[in-house]
Amino acid sequence: DTEVTQTPKHLVMGMTNKKSLKCEQHMGHRAMYWYKQKAKKPPELMFVYSYEKLSINESVPSRFSPECPNSSLLNLHLHALQPEDSALYLCASSKIGGTSNEQYFGPGTRLTVT
Amino acid sequence: GQQVMQIPQYQHVQEGEDFTTYCNSSTTLSNIQWYKQRPGGHPVFLIQLVKSGEVKKQKRLTFQFGEAKKNSSLHITATQTTDVGTYFCAGDNSGGSNYKLTFGKGTLLTVNP
Repeated sequence: DTEVTQTPKHLVMGMTNKKSLKCEQHMGHRAMYWYKQKAKKPPELMFVYSYEKLSINESVPSRFSPECPNSSLLNLHLHALQPEDSALYLCASSKIGGTSNEQYFGPGTRLTVT
Repeated sequence: GQQVMQIPQYQHVQEGEDFTTYCNSSTTLSNIQWYKQRPGGHPVFLIQLVKSGEVKKQKRLTFQFGEAKKNSSLHITATQTTDVGTYFCAGDNSGGSNYKLTFGKGTLLTVNP
């Protein structure tokens, strides 16, 4: 199974809402990532978890709160977002160590903040 | 910080023509990876290059890593409509230790049938 799944596929939320994005993989990967991608731009790294611990936070505003409950799951909790946060949010996973650290991306959640 | 420049930004070709996209890093890389993102889709891993001067082929796609491990290219021979999408290079200069890839801005390939 080389699949990363993400839910929901689409999300529309108001600026006062609280919502969560979910990501799951069963490849035994111990690194998991959140990226934000705007139209016609490359993915922009937000957070990296390795062995279920937050290892990289790319100075992301606190209205985005990641969580890694176990080695297969990754959540992104959203609160008080701004319209400019509307984007495609991609989850990815990869092995740790060795020479092959390619990332497997999920299909993404397309988020619209109104 | 590390920068990865990718050109061209856009390329439109007639089906059957060749296509090449180039990446150049400001720092020496541990490895470089290539991803393809179809319109409306998500990035899909194509290949990873690790060794200086490495060349790898996947059917009509040829990937090269420069001798100095700072530049790379992807060449597609005889493009097909199924090749349409954005091709991203992504450089890793961490030795694989902190999992952070720096993506180029991507090259959007469109193919006229």
